[in-house]
Amino acid sequence: ILNVEQSPQSLHVQEGDSTNFTCSFPSSNFYALHWYRWETAKSPEALFVMTLNGDEKKKGRISATLNTKEGYSYLYIKGSQPEDSATYLCAFIPRGSSNTGKLIFGQGTTLQVKP
Amino acid sequence: EPEVTQTPSHQVTQMGQEVILRCVPISNHLYFYWYRQILGQKVEFLVSFYNNEISEKSEIFDDQFSVERPDGSNFTLKIRSTKLEDSAMYFCASSLSGSGNEQFFGPGTRLTVL
Repeated sequence: ILNVEQSPQSLHVQEGDSTNFTCSFPSSNFYALHWYRWETAKSPEALFVMTLNGDEKKKGRISATLNTKEGYSYLYIKGSQPEDSATYLCAFIPRGSSNTGKLIFGQGTTLQVKP
Repeated sequence: EPEVTQTPSHQVTQMGQEVILRCVPISNHLYFYWYRQILGQKVEFLVSFYNNEISEKSEIFDDQFSVERPDGSNFTLKIRSTKLEDSAMYFCASSLSGSGNEQFFGPGTRLTVL
């Protein structure tokens, strides 16, 4: 069974704090990793698609790194703002699903940023 | 900006009844997906669909489930005889390619089976 784990499960930070979360996935069967941001009552929205070991991607104050050899990805948010409050999901595509795009999700990290 | 739409937003049904959940993917996308999230659990993959056929399905996607793209715009998920454990939020998604591109998700249909 291919399992994706995220930690922590939830996080409360003050506005202006920087924060990071972890996504762990099976390193032996890797094809791609996606990060999604999911605000309450909205659709999950893609942040990053990562495929290469050592990838680093950035979108504004949010960035992500990928280590396929050890099976983890980090998501960083610099200077958190209240509008960053959301659940952040990582999703793994195993090699066997490289043509179909089947996403295997972690349980998400819920971030709450207090003003 | 193009978006994936789903109807209805909430469906309540009796156990044993058939339900059809509808999705309109983004118009130039080629790959279509259904996922679901049972309350308190992870989002889980149900099925992927490409070139008018199922390209991959999960163990959950048994004979009670079927998908169809009846015309050029809609993508439907049918559950033939609903069970209590089918109660979940069902999400449709679409993408340009199988895995190299992000998936765009709809807002979901909350299915409640009584």
